[in-house]
Amino acid sequence: SQTIHQWPATLVQPVGSPLSLECTVEGTSNPNLYWYRQAAGRGLQLLFYSVGIGQISSEVPQNLSASRPQDRQFILSSKKLLLSDSGFYLCAWGSGSPLHFGNGTRLTVT
Amino acid sequence: SQQGEEDPQALSIQEGENATMNCSYKTSINNLQWYRQNSGRGLVHLILIRSNEREKHSGRLRVTLDTSKKSSSLLITASRAADTASYFCATDNDNAGNMLTFGGGTRLMVKP
Repeated sequence: SQTIHQWPATLVQPVGSPLSLECTVEGTSNPNLYWYRQAAGRGLQLLFYSVGIGQISSEVPQNLSASRPQDRQFILSSKKLLLSDSGFYLCAWGSGSPLHFGNGTRLTVT
Repeated sequence: SQQGEEDPQALSIQEGENATMNCSYKTSINNLQWYRQNSGRGLVHLILIRSNEREKHSGRLRVTLDTSKKSSSLLITASRAADTASYFCATDNDNAGNMLTFGGGTRLMVKP
């Protein structure tokens, strides 16, 4: 069966520090991979998606970036965090619909 | 941009009652999906309804889709305290099935 792992679960980082969130998927090949962000009590905003190694599409211009160095690995990064980067980050995979989500990372930028 | 918008934003009911949540969207879709999110967790897929379907059932869940009105509803019958969660609709309007657009969600509280 397919599983998705996302870590860390919680993270507190100062403004201006770098960020690296990792997501890995097991039990499937060549999945579409997604990073979403969720503000408190709100819906999901698609940040990045990838249909293959090295292929990244950005939906929202910002100081975040994503990379897919391996088929089942998706990384969300920032060189310098802003206060507005605080939120709940969710990684998901899918091959068509539906999507399967990780348990998320709660990021607080202080 | 938000495609789906849920209504109401919050709903509080007693255990045993039915809960109805609505979703409206703006553009044509391939399918519409409903997800559930427990507090502080990831989303879990509940049910998918295709654009050529009008109604679908899964256990205590009933989903309807009206493409002429660009709306969908999720009905949870005989609610339980464990149904307390946020519920999101998501529209798939990309022909490759790569993109879902989520609404803002309905926060459902079921009181025991």
